[in-house]
Amino acid sequence: DTGVSQDPRHKITKRGQNVTFRCDPISEHNRLYWYRQTLGQGPEFLTYFQNEAQLEKSRLLSDRFSAERPKGSFSTLEIQRTEQGDSAMYLCASSLEGARNQPQHFGDGTRLSIL
Amino acid sequence: AQSVTQLGSHVSVSEGALVLLRCNYSSSVPPYLFWYVQYPNQGLQLLLKYTTGATLVKGINGFEAEFKKSETSFHLTKPSAHMSDAAEYFCAVTYSGAGSYQLTFGKGTKLSVIP
Repeated sequence: DTGVSQDPRHKITKRGQNVTFRCDPISEHNRLYWYRQTLGQGPEFLTYFQNEAQLEKSRLLSDRFSAERPKGSFSTLEIQRTEQGDSAMYLCASSLEGARNQPQHFGDGTRLSIL
Repeated sequence: AQSVTQLGSHVSVSEGALVLLRCNYSSSVPPYLFWYVQYPNQGLQLLLKYTTGATLVKGINGFEAEFKKSETSFHLTKPSAHMSDAAEYFCAVTYSGAGSYQLTFGKGTKLSVIP
């Protein structure tokens, strides 16, 4: 069990640029989640995949955000035309298939800073 | 809709003292409840979970929590605080019924341990 891996750990970019983050879940987990965490807040749900299918999207996920999980393994989260308000920690989690009591295991996150 | 309230954004205890972090939830169906810990610049680590069965749940690092349906609470305790317990703690809830797989988090409680 190598844990959930996220890359990069930190990203600094100028407003208006596009950024892409990668998440590698625990290998036997077929569910993958993205959350966003701003300073002083708990994580907020963005989207969720089961295998390659994106089954749920939060209203927080504006048109500038897109997430993929093309082969049901790793996932990418892209933000286009970044804005100051996108500055946050982006967390990825994964879990086993089954009931909702399966715990979600989190990566160390990607911290995005918009200049 | 489900929600979580964590009373006290910041709690300070002396080393060796009792730790009590409060969490109240709102859910129209039986909940699944989780406590996570987050150290600076890291992701979330699962401490413990309540699904069904025994209402007193034991987790890692000496923490435990008790599910009280009548009080809609899931408070986290540890008999004796260690310096290494200083971190931020998040309570989270999800539904047991049909619907979303997302976790809803509280705003977190930052625990400081005074030598």
